[in-house]
Amino acid sequence: DAGVTQSPTHLIKTRGQQVTLRCSPKSGHDTVSWYQQALGQGPQFIFQYYEEEERQRGNFPDRFSGHQFPNYSSELNVNALLLGDSALYLCASSLAGPYTEAFFGQGTRLTVV
Amino acid sequence: DQQVKQNSPSLSVQEGRISILNCDYTNSMFDYFLWYKKYPAEGPTFLISISSIKDKNEDGRFTVFLNKSAKHLSLHIVPSQPGDSAVYFCAASFSGTYKYIFGTGTRLKVLA
Repeated sequence: DAGVTQSPTHLIKTRGQQVTLRCSPKSGHDTVSWYQQALGQGPQFIFQYYEEEERQRGNFPDRFSGHQFPNYSSELNVNALLLGDSALYLCASSLAGPYTEAFFGQGTRLTVV
Repeated sequence: DQQVKQNSPSLSVQEGRISILNCDYTNSMFDYFLWYKKYPAEGPTFLISISSIKDKNEDGRFTVFLNKSAKHLSLHIVPSQPGDSAVYFCAASFSGTYKYIFGTGTRLKVLA
């Protein structure tokens, strides 16, 4: 049973560019959340997708957008990259209900230069 | 505003002894708490959770204690093993929200 898979694992982009990160959830999971983890910090919630809709959003600018496909996989898009967007981006999948644990992928390390 | 705090950035423990990792929170609405373990170059791995209707939950070597009046939870690992060396994050959530709020993590080193 494959867990949460993310691609790519590492990425280097230039300031001002756009990036797309991809996530396939754990088998049986229908909900995908994205988190940003800066160095030395805990993961910070970006948004969650359920039934192909953004269900909740954290305190991130509109440059961060996402999508969920009918097969529950998801993309995170970041436009107009800033140096401060350099971080580990984590995808987590879960079941739709409350009080369910999230399963994380290995993350995508994004470096903006 | 850091709603979930892990005030100890690091902890070293001898193999076989107890490891106690602490977490404090400020939001009294939190009613579900989780602990995750993270190895380098891997995503966080779920360890154990606890609902606010309980004050203790055990799973093998891992026990989580919740003190609602003090807004404090702790993770006990007994006995500690070298493979437990990792960064441990506590996270909190509440009914009506879908996000977890994480602490900044505690790096545990178990010495052989």
